[in-house]
Amino acid sequence: GAGVSQSPRYKVTKRGQDVTLRCDPISSHATLYWYQQALGQGPEFLTYFNYEAQPDKSGLPSDRFSAERPEGSISTLTIQRTEQRDSAMYRCASSPTGAGANVLTFGAGSRLTVL
Amino acid sequence: GIQVEQSPPDLILQEGANSTLRCNFSDSVNNLQWFHQNPWGQLINLFYIPSGTKQNGRLSATTVATERYSLLYISSSQTTDSGVYFCAVVYSGAGSYQLTFGKGTKLSVIP
Repeated sequence: GAGVSQSPRYKVTKRGQDVTLRCDPISSHATLYWYQQALGQGPEFLTYFNYEAQPDKSGLPSDRFSAERPEGSISTLTIQRTEQRDSAMYRCASSPTGAGANVLTFGAGSRLTVL
Repeated sequence: GIQVEQSPPDLILQEGANSTLRCNFSDSVNNLQWFHQNPWGQLINLFYIPSGTKQNGRLSATTVATERYSLLYISSSQTTDSGVYFCAVVYSGAGSYQLTFGKGTKLSVIP
């Protein structure tokens, strides 16, 4: 697509439920990133994909968090057994290879609230 | 890891005024970007500027990599400039690619 699309824009869930967030990057972009942004803070890196490969998961806060990009395009971020501290904006970004590889384009984000 | 400090944390301007936002970072970088988070939460890339100076309309940015700081200038501010401005950097160490963000400067432009 023309931009990075994320869904849902807002998600309210109860503690203990599983949540899956979706990201559809710019179609020509090989690299996809997930960031977590707490209220009043800057985004923090979670993980990234180069096509379908996931070279780095070091930013994922616990093993309850996982991400996939099975066909190298759309990606999902799943949080199992959600906790209140997981409440945050989850942002997806993508970047191309070659020229412009260092410039990230962010989606509008998915705001998660865990009650 | 690399530290990014932004100042001031909050800034209130009268429409038409000019401002300078500062970003200091603790180590060498090979990537520096400025973003604007608008009141609807969208994060927009303003500049990719690991060194040098760039201008785009009323906005300009300068990065002095050797002194580990970057400045974002906003001239003739408008109410639509309101939001949070983030500086983000990538440490230039081998294999590094993660953007590290500062805490942002919250700008409010009043008519």
